[in-house]
Amino acid sequence: DIVMTQSPATLSMSPGERATLSCRASQSVSSNLAWFQQQAGQAPRLLIYGASTRATGIPARFSGSGSGTEFTLTIGSLQSEDFAIYYCQHYNNWPWTFGQGTKVEIK
Amino acid sequence: QVQLVQSGAEVKKPGASVKVSCKASGYTFTSYYIHWVRQAPGQGLEWMGIINPTGGSTSYAQKYQGRVTMTRDTSTSTVYMELSSLRSEDTAVYYCTREAIYGPVPEYWGQGTLVTVSS
Repeated sequence: DIVMTQSPATLSMSPGERATLSCRASQSVSSNLAWFQQQAGQAPRLLIYGASTRATGIPARFSGSGSGTEFTLTIGSLQSEDFAIYYCQHYNNWPWTFGQGTKVEIK
Repeated sequence: QVQLVQSGAEVKKPGASVKVSCKASGYTFTSYYIHWVRQAPGQGLEWMGIINPTGGSTSYAQKYQGRVTMTRDTSTSTVYMELSSLRSEDTAVYYCTREAIYGPVPEYWGQGTLVTVSS
């Protein structure tokens, strides 16, 4: 199985700051990489697919980049509703696997 | 609009089985695969398996082979996930999720079903 590793585990940021989250795959997943946001008590919400394409309705402050084994999610200017846990996930083949998550918390 | 509505919370004893349902609406049921993902309390997301609603074919994560069964009922646009021989470590929220129109990405999610395994 492909292992997805996210860093950092926690990111302490202030509103308005730029956040950069990283995700590494143990082997190439091409661009078959998605990012999700999860608020407490809610299902995950798809933000990015194809490593860099925003899903429907996702604000432009969210952007993704990378291919192969190294990926980045950038939140351009943190809004109050962006403080949450973020997961990367590969869908290159089965089994899908997820990173362990990065918690973006208010500093 | 696409909706996946799951059955309610369950409390089960160790060794028992649980069957969670996921009723789809707002699209052609047989057009998209459904996956099941679970999340233990305070933990990350874990893929359990996939079902093709058209023919009912399935593929399961190795960890759950022999314990999980995914089925579907095309007459009610519902998929089911049954997990047997429950243990405390199976306490989790179970989600069904549908692939996106643009590829095998989990775009639509059910609201989740909490399964608690406790004696």
